[in-house]
Amino acid sequence: DAGVTQSPTHLIKTRGQQVTLRCSPKSGHDTVSWYQQALGQGPQFIFQYYEEEERQRGNFPDRFSGHQFPNYSSELNVNALLLGDSALYLCASSLAGGPRTDTQYFGPGTRLTVL
Amino acid sequence: AQSVTQLGSHVSVSEGALVLLRCNYSSSVPPYLFWYVQYPNQGLQLLLKYTSAATLVKGINGFEAEFKKSETSFHLTKPSAHMSDAAEYFCAVSLPGSNYKLTFGKGTLLTVNP
Repeated sequence: DAGVTQSPTHLIKTRGQQVTLRCSPKSGHDTVSWYQQALGQGPQFIFQYYEEEERQRGNFPDRFSGHQFPNYSSELNVNALLLGDSALYLCASSLAGGPRTDTQYFGPGTRLTVL
Repeated sequence: AQSVTQLGSHVSVSEGALVLLRCNYSSSVPPYLFWYVQYPNQGLQLLLKYTSAATLVKGINGFEAEFKKSETSFHLTKPSAHMSDAAEYFCAVSLPGSNYKLTFGKGTLLTVNP
Protein backbone atom coordinates (compact mmCIF):
# COMPACT_ATOMS: atom_id res chain seq x y z
CA ASP A 1 0.00 0.00 0.00
CA ALA A 2 1.72 3.17 -1.20
CA GLY A 3 1.73 6.10 1.15
CA VAL A 4 1.53 9.73 0.15
CA THR A 5 3.73 10.49 -2.85
CA GLN A 6 4.89 13.86 -4.12
CA SER A 7 6.64 15.01 -7.26
CA PRO A 8 9.07 16.35 -8.07
CA THR A 9 11.49 15.89 -5.19
CA HIS A 10 13.41 19.06 -5.91
CA LEU A 11 12.72 22.05 -8.10
CA ILE A 12 14.63 25.20 -8.95
CA LYS A 13 12.83 28.20 -10.41
CA THR A 14 13.55 31.89 -10.92
CA ARG A 15 11.57 34.83 -9.59
CA GLY A 16 8.39 35.54 -11.51
CA GLN A 17 8.00 32.01 -12.83
CA GLN A 18 5.14 29.65 -12.09
CA VAL A 19 5.40 26.19 -10.53
CA THR A 20 3.15 23.15 -10.16
CA LEU A 21 3.67 20.54 -7.46
CA ARG A 22 1.85 17.22 -7.40
CA CYS A 23 0.57 14.91 -4.69
CA SER A 24 -1.05 11.48 -4.66
CA PRO A 25 -2.81 10.63 -1.40
CA LYS A 26 -2.61 7.39 0.50
CA SER A 27 -4.91 4.73 -0.86
CA GLY A 28 -8.43 5.17 0.55
CA HIS A 29 -7.95 8.81 1.51
CA ASP A 30 -10.07 11.55 -0.07
CA THR A 31 -8.76 14.76 1.48
CA VAL A 32 -5.49 16.48 0.66
CA SER A 33 -3.88 19.31 2.61
CA TRP A 34 -0.85 21.36 1.61
CA TYR A 35 1.69 22.92 3.95
CA GLN A 36 4.66 25.23 3.43
CA GLN A 37 7.72 24.69 5.63
CA ALA A 38 10.28 27.47 5.43
CA LEU A 39 13.80 26.71 6.58
CA GLY A 40 13.96 26.47 10.37
CA GLN A 41 10.21 26.83 10.80
CA GLY A 42 7.24 24.59 11.42
CA PRO A 43 4.89 23.77 8.56
CA GLN A 44 2.15 26.31 7.79
CA PHE A 45 -1.24 25.30 6.44
CA ILE A 46 -1.88 26.56 2.90
CA PHE A 47 -5.20 24.94 2.00
CA GLN A 48 -7.18 21.71 1.95
CA TYR A 49 -9.10 20.01 -0.85
CA TYR A 50 -12.06 17.66 -0.57
CA GLU A 51 -14.47 16.57 -3.31
CA GLU A 52 -12.46 18.66 -5.79
CA GLU A 53 -13.19 21.86 -3.88
CA GLU A 54 -11.02 24.04 -1.66
CA ARG A 55 -12.54 23.49 1.75
CA GLN A 56 -10.22 25.43 4.02
CA ARG A 57 -7.51 28.02 3.41
CA GLY A 58 -4.71 29.41 5.50
CA ASN A 59 -3.21 32.87 5.37
CA PHE A 60 -1.63 32.65 1.91
CA PRO A 61 -2.08 35.02 -1.05
CA ASP A 62 -4.07 34.18 -4.15
CA ARG A 63 -0.81 33.39 -5.96
CA PHE A 64 -1.19 30.02 -4.28
CA SER A 65 -3.90 27.92 -5.87
CA GLY A 66 -4.72 24.28 -6.10
CA HIS A 67 -6.75 21.61 -7.68
CA GLN A 68 -8.03 18.16 -6.79
CA PHE A 69 -8.80 15.56 -9.40
CA PRO A 70 -11.51 12.87 -9.36
CA ASN A 71 -8.91 10.29 -8.29
CA TYR A 72 -8.20 12.50 -5.22
CA SER A 73 -4.72 13.50 -6.34
CA SER A 74 -3.91 17.17 -6.06
CA GLU A 75 -1.79 19.95 -7.47
CA LEU A 76 -0.43 23.07 -5.85
CA ASN A 77 0.26 25.99 -8.17
CA VAL A 78 2.26 29.06 -7.26
CA ASN A 79 2.35 32.03 -9.64
CA ALA A 80 4.76 34.96 -9.79
CA LEU A 81 7.31 33.23 -7.58
CA LEU A 82 9.12 35.26 -4.94
CA LEU A 83 12.38 34.46 -3.21
CA GLY A 84 10.34 33.95 -0.04
CA ASP A 85 8.46 31.07 -1.63
CA SER A 86 11.57 28.92 -1.27
CA ALA A 87 10.54 26.15 1.11
CA LEU A 88 9.68 22.50 1.56
CA TYR A 89 6.10 21.92 0.42
CA LEU A 90 4.39 19.07 2.20
CA CYS A 91 1.26 17.25 1.18
CA ALA A 92 -0.85 15.35 3.70
CA SER A 93 -3.81 13.07 3.15
CA SER A 94 -6.67 11.99 5.36
CA LEU A 95 -10.15 10.52 5.21
CA ALA A 96 -12.99 12.99 5.68
CA GLY A 97 -15.36 11.78 8.33
CA GLY A 98 -12.92 9.17 9.51
CA PRO A 99 -12.73 8.25 13.18
CA ARG A 100 -10.94 10.70 15.42
CA THR A 101 -8.37 8.00 16.04
CA ASP A 102 -7.48 8.00 12.35
CA THR A 103 -4.21 9.47 11.17
CA GLN A 104 -3.18 12.08 8.65
CA TYR A 105 -0.22 10.96 6.57
CA PHE A 106 2.46 13.27 5.20
CA GLY A 107 4.46 12.86 2.03
CA PRO A 108 8.21 13.40 1.78
CA GLY A 109 7.81 16.90 0.38
CA THR A 110 8.99 18.91 -2.61
CA ARG A 111 11.93 21.22 -2.03
CA LEU A 112 11.38 24.43 -4.04
CA THR A 113 14.25 26.86 -4.49
CA VAL A 114 13.55 30.25 -6.05
CA LEU A 115 16.57 32.12 -7.39
CA ALA B 1 -7.70 30.61 17.04
CA GLN B 2 -5.29 27.98 18.24
CA SER B 3 -1.53 28.20 18.67
CA VAL B 4 1.42 26.15 19.86
CA THR B 5 4.58 27.21 21.67
CA GLN B 6 7.56 24.90 21.84
CA LEU B 7 9.97 25.94 24.56
CA GLY B 8 13.56 25.52 23.46
CA SER B 9 14.51 25.49 19.81
CA HIS B 10 17.40 23.15 20.57
CA VAL B 11 17.70 20.43 23.21
CA SER B 12 20.85 18.40 23.70
CA VAL B 13 20.99 15.20 25.76
CA SER B 14 23.42 12.36 26.32
CA GLU B 15 22.65 8.90 25.05
CA GLY B 16 20.64 7.07 27.73
CA ALA B 17 19.40 10.27 29.36
CA LEU B 18 15.80 11.41 29.71
CA VAL B 19 14.35 13.31 26.78
CA LEU B 20 11.87 16.09 27.59
CA LEU B 21 10.52 18.33 24.85
CA ARG B 22 8.06 21.00 25.93
CA CYS B 23 4.87 22.07 24.21
CA ASN B 24 2.18 24.46 25.38
CA TYR B 25 -0.98 25.16 23.44
CA SER B 26 -3.69 27.74 23.27
CA SER B 27 -7.16 26.79 22.10
CA SER B 28 -10.70 28.07 22.62
CA VAL B 29 -12.06 24.52 22.70
CA PRO B 30 -10.58 21.17 23.81
CA PRO B 31 -8.05 20.44 21.07
CA TYR B 32 -6.46 17.44 19.48
CA LEU B 33 -2.70 17.44 19.98
CA PHE B 34 0.08 15.79 18.02
CA TRP B 35 3.81 15.25 18.04
CA TYR B 36 5.61 14.72 14.75
CA VAL B 37 9.25 13.90 14.05
CA GLN B 38 11.18 15.01 10.99
CA TYR B 39 14.50 13.50 10.01
CA PRO B 40 16.81 15.50 7.71
CA ASN B 41 15.44 15.93 4.20
CA GLN B 42 12.31 13.93 4.98
CA GLY B 43 8.64 14.55 5.60
CA LEU B 44 6.80 14.32 8.90
CA GLN B 45 6.15 11.12 10.79
CA LEU B 46 3.48 10.95 13.48
CA LEU B 47 4.87 9.96 16.89
CA LEU B 48 1.65 10.14 18.89
CA LYS B 49 -1.63 11.99 19.23
CA TYR B 50 -4.16 12.99 21.86
CA THR B 51 -7.80 12.93 20.78
CA SER B 52 -9.59 13.38 24.13
CA ALA B 53 -9.30 9.79 25.29
CA ALA B 54 -6.58 8.82 27.79
CA THR B 55 -4.48 11.78 28.90
CA LEU B 56 -1.25 9.75 28.85
CA VAL B 57 -0.53 8.83 25.28
CA LYS B 58 2.05 6.29 24.20
CA GLY B 59 3.60 6.52 20.78
CA ILE B 60 6.19 4.88 18.61
CA ASN B 61 9.88 4.47 19.43
CA GLY B 62 9.28 4.62 23.20
CA PHE B 63 7.92 8.18 23.28
CA GLU B 64 4.95 9.28 25.35
CA ALA B 65 3.18 12.52 26.15
CA GLU B 66 0.75 13.64 28.81
CA PHE B 67 -2.11 16.05 28.18
CA LYS B 68 -2.46 18.45 31.13
CA LYS B 69 -5.45 20.71 30.67
CA SER B 70 -4.72 22.82 33.76
CA GLU B 71 -1.25 23.61 32.42
CA THR B 72 -2.28 23.67 28.74
CA SER B 73 0.71 21.45 28.08
CA PHE B 74 1.52 18.35 26.05
CA HIS B 75 5.17 17.61 26.78
CA LEU B 76 6.95 14.77 24.99
CA THR B 77 9.18 12.39 26.97
CA LYS B 78 11.34 9.34 26.47
CA PRO B 79 13.10 7.65 29.40
CA SER B 80 16.33 6.85 27.58
CA ALA B 81 17.61 8.68 24.50
CA HIS B 82 19.10 6.79 21.60
CA MET B 83 21.37 8.18 18.91
CA SER B 84 18.65 7.47 16.34
CA ASP B 85 16.32 9.92 18.15
CA ALA B 86 18.29 12.89 16.84
CA ALA B 87 15.83 14.83 14.68
CA GLU B 88 13.48 17.83 14.62
CA TYR B 89 10.30 17.46 16.67
CA PHE B 90 7.11 19.39 16.06
CA CYS B 91 4.10 19.79 18.31
CA ALA B 92 0.82 20.54 16.53
CA VAL B 93 -2.78 21.30 17.45
CA SER B 94 -6.03 20.93 15.59
CA LEU B 95 -9.64 21.54 16.51
CA PRO B 96 -12.15 18.67 16.47
CA GLY B 97 -14.07 18.78 13.22
CA SER B 98 -11.38 20.74 11.41
CA ASN B 99 -10.37 17.69 9.39
CA TYR B 100 -6.74 17.74 10.36
CA LYS B 101 -6.02 21.42 9.74
CA LEU B 102 -2.87 21.50 11.84
CA THR B 103 -1.18 24.45 13.50
CA PHE B 104 2.45 23.64 14.21
CA GLY B 105 5.00 24.96 16.63
CA LYS B 106 8.39 26.12 15.38
CA GLY B 107 10.05 22.86 16.26
CA THR B 108 12.72 21.62 18.63
CA LEU B 109 15.95 20.15 17.32
CA LEU B 110 17.06 17.23 19.46
CA THR B 111 20.71 16.25 19.42
CA VAL B 112 21.94 13.13 21.20
CA ASN B 113 25.56 13.02 22.33
CA PRO B 114 27.42 9.71 22.68
